[in-house]
Amino acid sequence: GAGVSQTPSNKVTEKGKYVELRCDPISGHTALYWYRQSLGQGPEFLIYFQGTGAADDSGLPNDRFFAVRPEGSVSTLKIQRTERGDSAVYLCASSPGTFYEQYFGPGTRLTVT
Amino acid sequence: AQKVTQAQTEISVVEKEDVTLDCVYETRDTTYYLFWYKQPPSGELVFLIRRNSFDEQNEISGRYSWNFQKSTSSFNFTITASQVVDSAVYFCALSEAEGNKLTFGGGTRVLVKP
Repeated sequence: GAGVSQTPSNKVTEKGKYVELRCDPISGHTALYWYRQSLGQGPEFLIYFQGTGAADDSGLPNDRFFAVRPEGSVSTLKIQRTERGDSAVYLCASSPGTFYEQYFGPGTRLTVT
Repeated sequence: AQKVTQAQTEISVVEKEDVTLDCVYETRDTTYYLFWYKQPPSGELVFLIRRNSFDEQNEISGRYSWNFQKSTSSFNFTITASQVVDSAVYFCALSEAEGNKLTFGGGTRVLVKP
């Protein structure tokens, strides 16, 4: 079946602009996660959804970052007033439920110039 | 707070050699889950194994094997008879029972030369 998909695959934006990154989880997966991976490092947790609600948003670095999952399927990560330090690969993952393995998408590479 | 340490940043081997990747974790929970993921040059993280804290049995899957030792808080991964296709970055990760987020180690880059 189809895996996790993320769009766009690459996004280049200017400092101060707003961006939206989209994630389509595996069909039927109730849990959805966002991570951020900087070059040469392991992924870092941002936010986790169980259904429509954010169960844990402790990893969001500041209030410029926000994510939604209005219908319990597709999720959008929104970044306001982007900064050069936001440049990274943003990874989305989904799982059938809590404590199952997470399946990752190919990521969106965000570059802020 | 949970923490995962992968002390080896890069390992280079010749094809058919065995390679062992170390993973040491820290957690205050008694119930937790450990994972290994592979990130090939294409970039997409591939799930390899999940182990819960109550199951210390070692596991073998083809050329892959895992050694979980609670006494030393380690969950090491061995690739037997390595192949060029095993070249990738390998991440160890931990999830505690109170939350579902994965905490990743810094990764170990494995380079298998023909």
